[in-house]
Amino acid sequence: GNSVTQMEGPVTLSEEAFLTINCTYTATGYPSLFWYVQYPGEGLQLLLKATKADDKGSNKGFEATYRKETTSFHLEKGSVQVSDSAVYFCALSVPISGGYNKLIFGAGTRLAVHP
Amino acid sequence: EPEVTQTPSHQVTQMGQEVILRCVPISNHLYFYWYRQILGQKVEFLVSFYNNEISEKSEIFDDQFSVERPDGSNFTLKIRSTKLEDSAMYFCASRQGAHEQYFGPGTRLTVT
Repeated sequence: GNSVTQMEGPVTLSEEAFLTINCTYTATGYPSLFWYVQYPGEGLQLLLKATKADDKGSNKGFEATYRKETTSFHLEKGSVQVSDSAVYFCALSVPISGGYNKLIFGAGTRLAVHP
Repeated sequence: EPEVTQTPSHQVTQMGQEVILRCVPISNHLYFYWYRQILGQKVEFLVSFYNNEISEKSEIFDDQFSVERPDGSNFTLKIRSTKLEDSAMYFCASRQGAHEQYFGPGTRLTVT
C-alpha cells in the first residue's frame, strides 16, 4: 500500500544550524511528493513539492529532491531560524477514483529552533 | 492571497450530539476534501468531493458522517451522533487542477 515514514521528533537545533528531516515513502506508480508545514495554531501550508523523479522542490530556503531510487524526499535547510519552528509533514499524492487524488501524510516532525 | 477558512476554530460537544463543521474553500477551486488528525497521530484522509458528490471516502467515513455543499461556497462536514473517538482536529482542503491541496486552519472538535 501507500505510506509515508518520517523521522521522529522533536528535532531541536540552534539558530543557523543545518536541518535534515528524513522522509521515505512506499507507493505504487509515480506519486507527487510534498512537504507541508504547520506553524503553532495554524493550518497546514504547502512548503514545497516535486512531481517527478529527480525534481527538486524549494521554497523559503528549504529544499527536497525526489529520489526514486531510494524512495526518499528528505527536507533540508542550510541555516534554520527561530521562525522555522513548526511541525513538518511529508506527504504523497495518490490517485483515487475518477481521476482525483488524495494525500497520505507522514506522522509529522516537530522542529524547535533556539536562538 | 486567497485562503481556505474554517469555522468554528474550536467546538466542544457532548457525546451523541450532532455537529456541523464549516469550510469555505478557495473560490475557483473545484475539488474539496476533509482530513482529520487525532492528537499525536497522522493526518488522515476522510473524504473527497467533486461536482456535488463524494468521489471517494475512507473507511473512517461511516454512516455517521456526511458532507454537503449547500450554497456554492460553503462545504460542510456533519457528524450525526458524535463519539469520544471523534475528538480530533478536522482540516478542510481544496484544489483547482494541479496536485497541491490548500488547507484551512482546522477545527478542533472535543467530544465530552
